Amino acid sequence: ETGVTQTPRHLVMGMTNKKSLKCEQHLGHNAMYWYKQSAKKPLELMFVYSLEERVENNSVPSRFSPECPNSSHLFLHLHTLQPEDSALYLCASSQTWGGLDTGELFFGEGSRLTVL
Amino acid sequence: RKEVEQDPGPFNVPEGATVAFNCTYSNSASQSFFWYRQDCRKEPKLLMSVYSSGNEDGRFTAQLNRASQYISLLIRDSKLSDSATYLCVVNGRGTDSWGKLQFGAGTQVVVTP
Repeated sequence: ETGVTQTPRHLVMGMTNKKSLKCEQHLGHNAMYWYKQSAKKPLELMFVYSLEERVENNSVPSRFSPECPNSSHLFLHLHTLQPEDSALYLCASSQTWGGLDTGELFFGEGSRLTVL
Repeated sequence: RKEVEQDPGPFNVPEGATVAFNCTYSNSASQSFFWYRQDCRKEPKLLMSVYSSGNEDGRFTAQLNRASQYISLLIRDSKLSDSATYLCVVNGRGTDSWGKLQFGAGTQVVVTP
């Protein structure tokens, strides 16, 4: 059983739809992340929240909108996406943000998004 | 130039054999290095940290070469369950990347019976 759960696991949406991805961590961590993973490409960091404050926005288009209502939950709101946004979206958490000397991120199983 | 580069593979390895592969990084100020493992259609998980003196964890050995800016992973006595994609991860310590983990695209290893 993973300490980070993501829903939905699979999502198909049209370019005009609005949907949201949800992430919940049960590890008591203070930092949460959204990553995008496309085939044969490195993980791309999208957003970082530390203690519910956004500390990183990695030049992500505004059609992706994160929300962190508390330290255990993270959402990614999606609207007017493009086909090239189809990818695996991974949520992760870590004990703290900034140092990351342990290098340990705990990932959820991901939400596989297909944009038609 | 990519910040973290890996040979995508696949490395096809007979069961019981040894396989090794490298990862190069561009930021000479990087301080921390890690290997993650990602099974097919699963999430990445930390395999091991890489220390300056080199370190072992069972059949896995990681090495760091700061002068040439690469890290390596060696797997001895390969098992079928070692089949996975191995992600090289570097913790940047520059003004642009402090505290950010930079991921490579991964090296695929396929262990065959």
